[in-house]
Amino acid sequence: QSALTQPASVSGSPGQSITISCTGTSSDVGAYNYVSWYQQLPGQAPKLLIFDVRNRPSGVSDRFSGSQSGNTASLAISGLQAEDEADYYCSSYTTSNTVVFGGGTKLTVL
Amino acid sequence: QVHLQESGPGLVKPSETLSLTCTVSGGSVSTYYWNWIRQPPGKGLEWIGNMYYSGNTKYNPSLKSRVTISVDMSRNQVSLNLNSVTAADTAVYFCAGSGARPRFDPWGQGILVTVSS
Repeated sequence: QSALTQPASVSGSPGQSITISCTGTSSDVGAYNYVSWYQQLPGQAPKLLIFDVRNRPSGVSDRFSGSQSGNTASLAISGLQAEDEADYYCSSYTTSNTVVFGGGTKLTVL
Repeated sequence: QVHLQESGPGLVKPSETLSLTCTVSGGSVSTYYWNWIRQPPGKGLEWIGNMYYSGNTKYNPSLKSRVTISVDMSRNQVSLNLNSVTAADTAVYFCAGSGARPRFDPWGQGILVTVSS
């Protein structure tokens, strides 16, 4: 199984909105509504931000939102804050009942 | 609130077996699917595999021939064994709980394992 494709880096200024894409295939992202997004701060374990494409766990800010179209899922962050600077990863269930992650995207808040 | 703590050797020799344990507190191992995920230094996340307490397991095809995940209900622990390790297996290893679908939460803090002679 191949890793999902994410941009290596994105950037934005405080208050702006950014979007991170996550492209897979009809055997993973496009097969189900089981894409999740994680935020990883330096030296920490990843934190679940979005599950099942667009659902937020309790406690996650509504500035984070998820969507999907075909084989591509997206994470949008609105009202960028300095504390959002982190690495972001998507993951998807696959038709082989396994899980594949994206390569990760480094978000820089300018 | 469920808390996960990984433990095991921080240094393993090439060709030997990497063995890690994830201790679950604040909950039962029968509550979740248990996943192992790793992250080589400076790189991205890689799913290794998972196990449900009933015995069902699923592994990453690229690691399947070398991996075993098991659950010890009496000790509320989840274990990972990865044999025939090489330097490419050097990584931070995380355990994480999920449901039947891959929604990883909670996570352990991770443990760095270095493969070197």
